[in-house]
Parts: sequence; structure tokens; C-alpha cells
Amino acid sequence: AQSVTQPDIHITVSEGASLELRCNYSYGATPYLFWYVQSPGQGLQLLLKYFSGDTLVQGIKGFEAEFKRSQSSFNLRKPSVHWSDAAEYFCAALRDYGQNFVFGPGTRLSVLP
Amino acid sequence: NAGVTQTPKFQVLKTGQSMTLQCAQDMNHNSMYWYRQDPGMGLRLIYYSASEGTTDKGEVPNGYNVSRLNKREFSLRLESAAPSQTSVYFCASGSSVTDTQYFGPGTRLTVL
Repeated sequence: AQSVTQPDIHITVSEGASLELRCNYSYGATPYLFWYVQSPGQGLQLLLKYFSGDTLVQGIKGFEAEFKRSQSSFNLRKPSVHWSDAAEYFCAALRDYGQNFVFGPGTRLSVLP
Repeated sequence: NAGVTQTPKFQVLKTGQSMTLQCAQDMNHNSMYWYRQDPGMGLRLIYYSASEGTTDKGEVPNGYNVSRLNKREFSLRLESAAPSQTSVYFCASGSSVTDTQYFGPGTRLTVL
């Protein structure tokens, strides 16, 4: 079955530290890939997306993600985390023959002062 | 622009009651979506509408119906609510299949 996995349910980092959130997908072909962020009580906001081309994608709020076909991964990174980055992060994939987005279960990020 | 709006923000129902969740977007998007969000499961697609006049089932359509009233509005109806439908419901819209989806603020529904 096609799926998106996020191995880490909860990650805690100190403010100013670097961050990497993992995402793996299982699809026959490369899907379109997305990272969304959800602050408490809010809807989802797009951080970045990958369709094709350069495998390193820049997004908003200083985030970037790297697509690695060999590892079926699309990990999200940020060099220096801010307290306002505390939120839940969702990786998602879109199959190219339909409109069904598939979301991963999410990773909750806590930031220590 | 308000983006994607949803009403109501909160709702409590008794088992067997019916209700309709409303969603509207002012971005002239063709596609609209309904998701439910449950702890540890991410978002799961209930129904979507690729364009005005069309609707299709997503991953978890049972117990729900939808109506694409016009290009702006996409409603989700629970005909006979069940406790398993307690969830947070999100509406989203996008201009095309591969475009970014923009999400509403959500409706928190509790079924007793």
C-alpha cells in the first residue's frame, strides 16, 4: 500500500540547535511531496513542496528539505530552531494520477529555551 | 481575502443526530477537500471535489456525504452521527491537482 511514514512521534530540541525531521514514502513512482506545519489549534500551512528538479527545496521560515530517491526520503531540516517553531509537522505525498493526498502521522516538535 | 473559512468551529452532537459542516473559499480554486484529523493518524481524506459539479470518495468516506454547492462552497454532511466520528475536520482548497492545498481553521466535533 502507498503510504507516508514519519518515524519520530515527538522530538525535543534546544533553541538554536539544528533540526531534522524524517519522512519516508512508499510509492512505485516518485510522488509529489510536501511538508506542512500545524500550530496548536490552527489549520495547516505549507512549508515547502517538491515536484521535480533540484532535490534540495527551500521553503518558508528558513526550512529546507532534501529529496533522496535512493532512500525514498524527504527529510525536513532547519539549521537553527526558534521557539516559535514548536508545532506539529506533517509530511504528505500526492499520487500523480489522482488527487488523494496521503499524510504522514505527524511529528510534534518541542523547543527548549 | 479570507482564504478558507469553516463553520462551525465547535459542535457537540448526540449519537444519531445529523449536521452539516460548511466550507467556503474565496481564492477561485477548482479543487476542494474534506479531511478528518485524529491523534496519531495524521489527516485522512474523506471526500474531494476536483471541480464544480464533481465529487469523489477519499480514504474514509463511510458515514459522510458531500455537496459541491458552487465553486466556492463544499459542505460535509453527517446523516447519523456516531462516536467514531468525533474528530477535527479540515476543509482545504487548491487550484489544481498538483497545487498547494490551503486549509481552513478546522471544526472540532464531539459525538456523545
